[in-house]
Amino acid sequence: GAVVSQHPSRVICKSGTSVKIECRSLDFQATTMFWYRQFPKKSLMLMATSNEGSKATYEQGVEKDKFLINHASLTLSTLTVTSAHPEDSSFYICSATLPSGSRNEQFFGPGTRLTVL
Amino acid sequence: AQSVAQPEDQVNVAEGNPLTVKCTYSVSGNPYLFWYVQYPNRGLQFLLKYITGDNLVKGSYGFEAEFNKSQTSFHLKKPSALVSDSALYFCAVRDTDTGFQKLVFGTGTRLLVSP
Repeated sequence: GAVVSQHPSRVICKSGTSVKIECRSLDFQATTMFWYRQFPKKSLMLMATSNEGSKATYEQGVEKDKFLINHASLTLSTLTVTSAHPEDSSFYICSATLPSGSRNEQFFGPGTRLTVL
Repeated sequence: AQSVAQPEDQVNVAEGNPLTVKCTYSVSGNPYLFWYVQYPNRGLQFLLKYITGDNLVKGSYGFEAEFNKSQTSFHLKKPSALVSDSALYFCAVRDTDTGFQKLVFGTGTRLLVSP
């Protein structure tokens, strides 16, 4: 149980285009999802916390107009990288938690490798 | 603010030998501690957690971790390493300052198990 999927697993796009990454909780309802960015050989940097039906909470230094997050349902959150630039190339990972008070751990998706040319 | 430190960028161990990956933490209040493993180009997989109870926590794939309150440590251990254990390991603490179960991760330790 508690499986999280991401789509696509890998995407290459041209500079200036927008890219959407989906994060789905397959067998549970996730009231909260998190979006992380991981640079090569570095730790995970939390970008934003996404709660179903409300606006995402962005971490300091993360541009909310560039990284659009939508959590339209209890099983789906999307991250859209708008007007992508080569410096946005990274590994993006989402995670989801079970309803508040349950088990406490986060369940991570397999990640999406974004390459902006 | 909560934080975790993983002092070693890399740990090298021979297959069959015991391994330890170190983690120390700083929290206000009771710590909720986690270990995750990441294989190349993959997301993180949960290994184990400490919330309360026994200081020795047993997790997946034969891993265990010992919570030491006096030393504020939560080192990951395994009695006999396998080559397949080679991966990136992250220690994390729950950020109790927020209500969103946010995790704060250490910088990661690369474990290399040689045959």
